[in-house]
Amino acid sequence: AQSVTQLDSQVPVFEEAPVELRCNYSSSVSVYLFWYVQYPNQGLQLLLKYLSGSTLVKGINGFEAEFNKSQTSFHLRKPSVHISDTAEYFCAVRARSGYGNKLVFGAGTILRVKS
Amino acid sequence: NAGVTQTPKFQVLKTGQSMTLQCAQDMNHEYMSWYRQDPGMGLRLIHYSVGAGITDQGEVPNGYNVSRSTTEDFPLRLLSAAPSQTSVYFCATGMRVATNEKLFFGSGTQLSVL
Repeated sequence: AQSVTQLDSQVPVFEEAPVELRCNYSSSVSVYLFWYVQYPNQGLQLLLKYLSGSTLVKGINGFEAEFNKSQTSFHLRKPSVHISDTAEYFCAVRARSGYGNKLVFGAGTILRVKS
Repeated sequence: NAGVTQTPKFQVLKTGQSMTLQCAQDMNHEYMSWYRQDPGMGLRLIHYSVGAGITDQGEVPNGYNVSRSTTEDFPLRLLSAAPSQTSVYFCATGMRVATNEKLFFGSGTQLSVL
């Protein structure tokens, strides 16, 4: 089975400052990793994903994440945040093998961007 | 293209009542699933389906039933609602293609059980 730990429940940051949202995962098998974003009163949408290849992946809205296999981490970063980045961010994992697209989500990190 | 449509958006039930949350998709996705979202717990998988006629349990299936008679629809049934089922429910769909891993989410159903 897989599990995901998002190390911060809330991250306040000023506009134009850099931000890192931390995610650690646990799995006995190889995994795919994802970050999803949820804006207020909306469903989730995919921000970026790591399937294979380069460990640094770039997503939408200027976000990027780095897969670190030895530390079992997949931290999300943005060099300069905007007010519009205020949202809840979810890290998710699924086993590479197996049936279906089942994702296991972390508890979420609320990013609050202040002016 | 509507994508993933969930109805209703809001619902209030009394303990013991039954209801069905509807999920419809027009993307011809094989995979459909139901999650519940609770504060501080993220999203937890209730049930999922990899195609018409095939369903399976997720992490928190108790108190919920599903069926998949068509590719497009995946209703979630609460047979006897309990206050512990107060939550926001999301339907999510996707293609069963490893190179195109992505879930598409509906806008959610906010359910309160009194």
